[in-house]
Amino acid sequence: SAVISQKPSRDICQRGTSLTIQCQVDSQVTMMFWYRQQPGQSLTLIATANQGSEATYESGFVIDKFPISRPNLTFSTLTVSNMSPEDSSIYLCSLAQGPDTQYFGPGTRLTVL
Amino acid sequence: AQKITQTQPGMFVQEKEAVTLDCTYDTSDQSYGLFWYKQPSSGEMIFLIYQGSYDEQNATEGRYSLNFQKARKSANLVISASQLGDSAMYFCAMRGDEANFGNEKLTFGTGTRLTIIP
Repeated sequence: SAVISQKPSRDICQRGTSLTIQCQVDSQVTMMFWYRQQPGQSLTLIATANQGSEATYESGFVIDKFPISRPNLTFSTLTVSNMSPEDSSIYLCSLAQGPDTQYFGPGTRLTVL
Repeated sequence: AQKITQTQPGMFVQEKEAVTLDCTYDTSDQSYGLFWYKQPSSGEMIFLIYQGSYDEQNATEGRYSLNFQKARKSANLVISASQLGDSAMYFCAMRGDEANFGNEKLTFGTGTRLTIIP
């Protein structure tokens, strides 16, 4: 299985600032996904990140708030912009290795004060 | 659109007993896949088991098995001989037909918090 790392693992940020989360994979993958898990909630897909094209955002998520980069097949970043306390969540990147496997990174635990 | 329903917000089970976590789903896709994940307090999502909609046999992975009843649209996770380390949140998730076109995005249920009692 692929090894996925995320940086930072956790952060505490002030309202109005932005944080960029990095996701690194040890093998090349076509699609990467970014999910959000708000406290006590389930996972919700933010966007799908394809290499060489703009990310595809799910309903309720916009590029201005969650810009995503995918410069190559092993790396992606998610930025949480102009943060508010409601953005406090665990942010997870994931990848699929075929339709029957999907692995997640260890997550970034974000607290916004 | 897909929907996953997990009706058990929490369960308490005696160590070494078997436990069944319920998951029902709704989809109009002909082809789909069902996943189970374990999330310990650390927050990581650990992949446990997968069942494809066209798989005729129930999936098994060690102590985990998936009781797949397609007509009832249910995909329950069975953990045999539970251990203290099994205490965690468990999520059922589904991918739809988009996977056939390379998009394997998942829809998650609300989860079940399992606590194993010594």
